Amino acid sequence: EAGVAQSPRYKIIEKRQSVAFWCNPISGHATLYWYQQILGQGPKLLIQFQNNGVVDDSQLPKDRFSAERLKGVDSTLKIQPAKLEDSAVYLCASSIRGLAGGIAYNEQFFGPGTRLTVL
Amino acid sequence: ILNVEQSPQSLHVQEGDSTNFTCSFPSSNFYALHWYRWETAKSPEALFVMTLNGDEKKKGRISATLNTKEGYSYLYIKGSQPEDSATYLCAPRFETGANNLFFGTGTRLTVIP
Repeated sequence: EAGVAQSPRYKIIEKRQSVAFWCNPISGHATLYWYQQILGQGPKLLIQFQNNGVVDDSQLPKDRFSAERLKGVDSTLKIQPAKLEDSAVYLCASSIRGLAGGIAYNEQFFGPGTRLTVL
Repeated sequence: ILNVEQSPQSLHVQEGDSTNFTCSFPSSNFYALHWYRWETAKSPEALFVMTLNGDEKKKGRISATLNTKEGYSYLYIKGSQPEDSATYLCAPRFETGANNLFFGTGTRLTVIP
């Protein structure tokens, strides 16, 4: 089974430029997540989609970040314009429902991430 | 914002040594705890999901325990190997909200051959 695909793997831009990241989740996974991992911090959820609808975007800086999931499959995350503090690894994950100890949870599978450097 | 702490932040051990890390989290509304291993330039890989107080899970030389009443989990690596070098992330889930993962800052392990 193919994993979560992300591109590009690395991106260097100057501040105030725009950038877009792409994610292709595991086939059949209805839920898709975008995380931001700043150096020295843990990954932080930016947005969660269920099919093509947004479940949680409470931590997405909506003045500059946007995300969409067309047709409930692939997703793109855009930053416009980028700031220095946006330098981070952007992780995409997708999930299926699993069971542990009789409790249902969403097991998340991650892509390799896109490392963004803003100069 | 929920406070999930991992310690130590980084660790260097000699090949063959055993080691352990700590993840602490708020115990109220606890739902499940995930451990991930994240090697440089690769995808984070799921190690364990634990839900019940007193849970112990094992995968090869790696094991984990869970205390939901006091809000902590330990990850143990027995006989560390260079390929164990990675960042180990814990991520609890809570019953409130969208049942999302709240990641700690991770423990970066380097195993010296």
